[in-house]
Amino acid sequence: QQQVKQSPQSLIVQKGGISIINCAYENTAFDYFPWYQQFPGKGPALLIAIRPDVSEKKEGRFTISFNKSAKQFSLHIMDSQPGDSATYFCAASMGNQFYFGTGTSLTVIP
Amino acid sequence: DTAVSQTPKYLVTQMGNDKSIKCEQNLGHDTMYWYKQDSKKFLKIMFSYNNKELIINETVPNRFSPKSPDKAHLNLHINSLELGDSAVYFCASSQNRGAYEQYFGPGTRLTVT
Repeated sequence: QQQVKQSPQSLIVQKGGISIINCAYENTAFDYFPWYQQFPGKGPALLIAIRPDVSEKKEGRFTISFNKSAKQFSLHIMDSQPGDSATYFCAASMGNQFYFGTGTSLTVIP
Repeated sequence: DTAVSQTPKYLVTQMGNDKSIKCEQNLGHDTMYWYKQDSKKFLKIMFSYNNKELIINETVPNRFSPKSPDKAHLNLHINSLELGDSAVYFCASSQNRGAYEQYFGPGTRLTVT
C-alpha cells in the first residue's frame, strides 16, 4: 500500500506566489522526511529534510512544516519562481526503508 | 565530476531480450540503490546494497538481478524483458545504510517494444 500520500498531483502558481505541497504518512516509526526535486530528464535531488523532533525547517525560500500528531508534513515554496517548475517528491524513511510520495508537478507561470 | 553515473542513458530493446544497466558512484558511499520510476513518475525502490551485500530486495520479478562487484558499482541485469518493464531506472547512493540523504544518477530510460 502507499506508505506516503502526496497532494496535489499538479500545481500551477503565479510567479511570486506560495506553492504548498502536502504529504501524510501512517507509520510512526518513520524518522526522516525529505523532499526531493526532480527536473525533466534528471534524477531527483535532495531539496530539504526534517526529522520528527522539530516542527519546522527553513532553507532559503523552502520551508518544511511538520505536524507529528497529525502525521502530516508539507513543503512551502515562498516567492515561487519559474525555475522552481519541477516535480517534487516527499518521502519518509526509517532504517533501510525509503518510501516516496507520488509526486507533485509544479508549474510556476511568469 | 559526476557523482553517480549510469550507462546507458537510453535503452530500446525488444521483448524477450536480456539487458544490463551499469551504475558507478565516486562519492565513496557504502550503500547503493536501484529505483524504478514508471510513466506516472512514481518512484519505487527495487534493491539496496551495502558494501556489496544485498539489504533490500523489494517485490521485484526474479528476472531482475542486481550485481555489485565492489561498493562503487551496482549493476542491474534484466532477463526476458517485458513491455511492463518500460520505465526510467535510477541508481542512487548514500553514505551508509543509516544515512538518509540519497544521491541519484541521471536515470536510464528503458523502452521495451
